[in-house]
Amino acid sequence: DAGVTQSPTHLIKTRGQQVTLRCSPKSGHDTVSWYQQALGQGPQFIFQYYEEEERQRGNFPDRFSGHQFPNYSSELNVNALLLGDSALYLCASSLWGQVYQETQYFGPGTRLLVL
Amino acid sequence: AQSVTQPDIHITVSEGASLELRCNYSYGATPYLFWYVQSPGQGLQLLLKYFSGDTLVQGIKGFEAEFKRSQSSFNLRKPSVHWSDAAEYFCAVGARSDYKLSFGAGTTVTVRA
Repeated sequence: DAGVTQSPTHLIKTRGQQVTLRCSPKSGHDTVSWYQQALGQGPQFIFQYYEEEERQRGNFPDRFSGHQFPNYSSELNVNALLLGDSALYLCASSLWGQVYQETQYFGPGTRLLVL
Repeated sequence: AQSVTQPDIHITVSEGASLELRCNYSYGATPYLFWYVQSPGQGLQLLLKYFSGDTLVQGIKGFEAEFKRSQSSFNLRKPSVHWSDAAEYFCAVGARSDYKLSFGAGTTVTVRA
């Protein structure tokens, strides 16, 4: 059983560009959360998707948007990239309503470098 | 809003010695508390979690943590570390009103032979 998968593993973009990151949740999970982990920092919550809707959002600007598909996979889009967007982006999957009770599984992340 | 402080940025410990990582949280009610480990190139792996009940929680890989409400702490311990325990460790808190985790900045553990 594959766990949480993310693609691509690494990405290099320039300022002002747009990027799309992808996440496939663990089999059986229906909720996807996205986190940003800057170098030397802990992950910060970006947003969470369930039933194809954004359910919660952290303190991130509207340049960060997402989508969830009927098969529960998800995309994170970032527009007008800034140097400060360089980070490891982590996807986590879980079951809605049991995010804490059931183990929330994290993917290996996508490393984004903005030049 | 909840927050987590991990006072130690980096800890070096000898193989076979004991390890304790500190975590202090800020939250108005009883929180959900977690410890995760992150190895290079890997995602976060859950070591243990506390919801309620017994304040001493056992986790995987021989780790345990103790919830102390009076000190707002949730320190992680391991009696005897192995070289494979070298990694970054994150404490996280979750509010009972939502499903987002707030992480500390992490503690890097180096294990020397």
